[in-house]
Amino acid sequence: EVQLVESGGGLVQPGGSLRLSCAASGFTFSSYDMHWVRQAAGKGLEWVAAIATAGDSYYPGSVKGRFTISRENAKNSLYLQMNSLRAGDTAVYYCARARWELLHRTYYYYGMDVWGQGTTVTVSS
Amino acid sequence: DIQMTQSPSSVSASVGDRVTFTCRASQSVSTSLAWYQHKPGKAPKVLIYAASNLQSGVPPRFSGSGSGTDFTLTISSLQPEDFATYYCQQADSFPYTFGQGTKLEIK
Repeated sequence: EVQLVESGGGLVQPGGSLRLSCAASGFTFSSYDMHWVRQAAGKGLEWVAAIATAGDSYYPGSVKGRFTISRENAKNSLYLQMNSLRAGDTAVYYCARARWELLHRTYYYYGMDVWGQGTTVTVSS
Repeated sequence: DIQMTQSPSSVSASVGDRVTFTCRASQSVSTSLAWYQHKPGKAPKVLIYAASNLQSGVPPRFSGSGSGTDFTLTISSLQPEDFATYYCQQADSFPYTFGQGTKLEIK
């Protein structure tokens, strides 16, 4: 069964750090770009970070310089190191697999087709 | 950054109704767009990929269209399980961005 399972969420004080993990199973982890997406209570989905198969990483301005995404293909694991946490980072964090397919020399985006169940991060004193 | 704007923000409809949501990008994203359904306490689920293709296992009452900057998601005949929030998301360039969502409520 294709599955992603997040862990590592919890309560942390403002300015603190937390490391989220995402364990992948049932597919060739190293062949997929991976993402973190979050949802604060009562808000919409917000893309947080991505790491490509080659290891390139990408972030929105809201977390750049504070969050670091990484992967360990040998362990089928994805990570998100979160530093200098703020109240605004409080959210449910999801890891997700992104799928691209090459057809007729064009890449097509198949979306984030596998998601974990989410892990909750609360930043509060 | 590419801004994704969805409309309406919320809509009330009845079982059996046809509903259409729109998503507009601030610049062209070609067809690198996906639509997701999100229910409280659950993981988001991709419905449409590459703007107009139905994800495997998704009922055919869902359909997507558009390219460039203007996209639509249509549900041809609402079922009780369709009441949820729907998001579009562009993957043309980083940072990836989601629309703010359209909440579909029961009338």
